[in-house]
Amino acid sequence: GAGVSQTPSNKVTEKGKYVELRCDPISGHTALYWYRQSLGQGPEFLIYFQGTGAADDSGLPNDRFFAVRPEGSVSTLKIQRTERGDSAVYLCASSLMASGGQSSYNEQFFGPGTRLTVL
Amino acid sequence: GENVEQHPSTLSVQEGDSAVIKCTYSDSASNYFPWYKQELGKRPQLIIDIRSNVGEKKDQRIAVTLNKTAKHFSLHITETQPEDSAVYFCAAVEYGNKLVFGAGTILRVKS
Repeated sequence: GAGVSQTPSNKVTEKGKYVELRCDPISGHTALYWYRQSLGQGPEFLIYFQGTGAADDSGLPNDRFFAVRPEGSVSTLKIQRTERGDSAVYLCASSLMASGGQSSYNEQFFGPGTRLTVL
Repeated sequence: GENVEQHPSTLSVQEGDSAVIKCTYSDSASNYFPWYKQELGKRPQLIIDIRSNVGEKKDQRIAVTLNKTAKHFSLHITETQPEDSAVYFCAAVEYGNKLVFGAGTILRVKS
């Protein structure tokens, strides 16, 4: 079946502009995650959803960042008043469900990412 | 929160040799440790994982070991091939399925 998809693949914007990044998870996956990967670094957690609700948004760097998942499937990451430091690859991942139990961890499948460049 | 350290940052080996990448973590409550391979411009892909009730796991040429007492885990790749060249990330799972990644290791396999 289809994997996680993200659009656009590349986004170039100017400082101060608003951007939206979209993620389509694997069908049936209830958990969805956003990560940010800067050049030469590992992905950093931003936020995750269990269904429609944001279960943990502790990784969002500030209030310019916001994410929604209104119907429990597609998610949009929104960045207001973009800054040059926001430039990175934004990765989305999905899994069957989110759980803290040792035996119930579900593999996260990553999308190809959106490369955001803020000029 | 969890913190994951990964070493080395770059690793060059001759084709056919073994490669070892090491990670340490800080939160003793973490209980799941996946390894991802990321080729240039591509998405991270899970290659092997280990849970905290297991000390070692092997899958063909790759293996992972876990020492919970010392809070470190390692990836071992034997008989390396040019197609193993990529960036490898270790990670630890905090409560709620949140992945905390290491900074990555660039592996170059020279033929």
